[in-house]
Amino acid sequence: DAGVTQSPTHLIKTRGQHVTLRCSPISGHKSVSWYQQVLGQGPQFIFQYYEKEERGRGNFPDRFSARQFPNYSSELNVNALLLGDSALYLCASSLDPGGQPYEQYFGPGTRLTVT
Amino acid sequence: RKEVEQDPGPFNVPEGATVAFNCTYSNSASQSFFWYRQDCRKEPKLLMSVYSSGNEDGRFTAQLNRASQYISLLIRDSKLSDSATYLCVVNLRISNFGNEKLTFGTGTRLTIIP
Repeated sequence: DAGVTQSPTHLIKTRGQHVTLRCSPISGHKSVSWYQQVLGQGPQFIFQYYEKEERGRGNFPDRFSARQFPNYSSELNVNALLLGDSALYLCASSLDPGGQPYEQYFGPGTRLTVT
Repeated sequence: RKEVEQDPGPFNVPEGATVAFNCTYSNSASQSFFWYRQDCRKEPKLLMSVYSSGNEDGRFTAQLNRASQYISLLIRDSKLSDSATYLCVVNLRISNFGNEKLTFGTGTRLTIIP
């Protein structure tokens, strides 16, 4: 079975540009979450989407936005890129947020470098 | 105070030894708990969920103490392939409408030495 897929795998952008990252969850999973991981740190929560609605948002500026499509895939958009946005962006999917424990499965990530 | 705290290590342990990781969390309303493993430049992979009664999966044992807000992971008979960063993860359910937030510790780096 296919796991969580993300595209692209690597991306290089310059300051001020915009970027769109994509994620497809595990088949049957309806919830997608996005995380940012900078070197030496654990992943930081950015957004959670469930049934195409935003259910949670972390402490990230409004330059970060996301959406979920009817097929449960998702996009993360970042505007006006800053050097500090350079990180590994991880997408995670889960079957049902109401289930316990709430297990999430991660994709391979998109490594974004801002120059 | 950080929401989830771990000793960042690194831990350098000889093959075959037992190694223990500890983690504390600050929000007593946290509902579920996990250990993830992350290899260098790879995504985190779920190692095991942690239950109040404690649980074991082969060489791995996880414990949860809700009163002390403390989570642990024990690896017995360590193998070279256990070398990785181990992330302590706590889930806080914000609402009953699918609003979940995973909070990760910074991770503990483990190297198993031949």
